Amino acid sequence: QQQVKQSPQSLIVQKGGISIINCAYENTAFDYFPWYQQFPGKGPALLIAIRPDVSEKKEGRFTISFNKSAKQFSLHIMDSQPGDSATYFCAASSDQAGTALIFGKGTTLSVSS
Amino acid sequence: GAVVSQHPSRVICKSGTSVKIECRSLDFQATTMFWYRQFPKQSLMLMATSNEGSKATYEQGVEKDKFLINHASLTLSTLTVTSAHPEDSSFYICSARDGTGGREKLFFGSGTQLSVL
Repeated sequence: QQQVKQSPQSLIVQKGGISIINCAYENTAFDYFPWYQQFPGKGPALLIAIRPDVSEKKEGRFTISFNKSAKQFSLHIMDSQPGDSATYFCAASSDQAGTALIFGKGTTLSVSS
Repeated sequence: GAVVSQHPSRVICKSGTSVKIECRSLDFQATTMFWYRQFPKQSLMLMATSNEGSKATYEQGVEKDKFLINHASLTLSTLTVTSAHPEDSSFYICSARDGTGGREKLFFGSGTQLSVL
């Protein structure tokens, strides 16, 4: 059972464009939704995270939009740069799960220069 | 920021041997550590959760006797892949939670690429 569904699997964006990655979850007990960035051969690094009490969070060029009723959240990367080319994972967790993160399948982003 | 050191970064071993992977929190006490497994271009799959001083909790389908996890101190957890076989070849990643913080205080190691010949 896949608890966090992520799309698209891959994404190609031109430099300066907006990259949008979507995730949907099933478990209503989830109350923490982070996005991670991973480069080849490295562990994931936290990019930005949101809790369900807010509908949007922005940090620099990265924005999370959250729709609690639809059980969906998305990552927007504004002014995408070649250095943003990486794999992005959405994740979710709940206190009841002891903070173990459940990851989406990942999106490989390529930003062309 | 907080650092989680994972060692080795890459290991090649013969089939049937055991391999130990270490995960250390360098500047905080990790009350909980998690071990994930990642296949090429796939997601991170949670293998087990370990709390300092207690037995690890394994996810369904993960063999406890094959993947031995020890969390003997607040800064060190180890994963031992026993009697490794080629199908165990994968990227293993640990993460550690800073017990003084919220869920943002979860940091990942840089991973270990295991190749079993």
